[in-house]
Amino acid sequence: GQQVMQIPQYQHVQEGEDFTTYCNSSTTLSNIQWYKQRPGGHPVFLIQLVKSGEVKKQKRLTFQFGEAKKNSSLHITATQTTDVGTYFCAGGNNAGNMLTFGGGTRLMVKP
Amino acid sequence: EPEVTQTPSHQVTQMGQEVILRCVPISNHLYFYWYRQILGQKVEFLVSFYNNEISEKSEIFDDQFSVERPDGSNFTLKIRSTKLEDSAMYFCASVRDSQGHGELFFGEGSRLTVL
Repeated sequence: GQQVMQIPQYQHVQEGEDFTTYCNSSTTLSNIQWYKQRPGGHPVFLIQLVKSGEVKKQKRLTFQFGEAKKNSSLHITATQTTDVGTYFCAGGNNAGNMLTFGGGTRLMVKP
Repeated sequence: EPEVTQTPSHQVTQMGQEVILRCVPISNHLYFYWYRQILGQKVEFLVSFYNNEISEKSEIFDDQFSVERPDGSNFTLKIRSTKLEDSAMYFCASVRDSQGHGELFFGEGSRLTVL
């Protein structure tokens, strides 16, 4: 079945440093979504990418979807302590409506 | 802002007991999901539900699991005979789109502890 891998598993950064998490799927995706989960919280939707090569920005966050629609990345510029949490990518395929989540990247920011 | 609500927030049960987790999805949403997350691990798909029937289910969703929409608002997940490995956070989610695509709105989760 479809597998979605994310790296790194953990990332410690100093406040103000940049952060990137990468997501790779074993199969071509119809779309990819990104979610943020604060410690003890539930996943909260950040964005959805649908088109090959798509790039979207939300303030300090930049999301990319690869040309082959098998990989994606999330880049945060100048991290802040409020960015702390686990970032999950979740891939959808044309066969159905379920999302397959990656393992997540846990971001820790030192003030 | 409308939200998905889940009860109970935490349930402790003995192995072999039946558990029902309840969810009230956002009112105009059409697709409903159950996901689970074992502590510190990834979010795993269990089942999707549309038009009063199961749309998709994963290998995790075996005969011990069932879902129901007993009335127009509640969406329940039943585990018939709990096992230790069922201990996890169970998230209900809903989607507005009739194809089940787009943003998943998650509830705050029900933590199940099986002793």
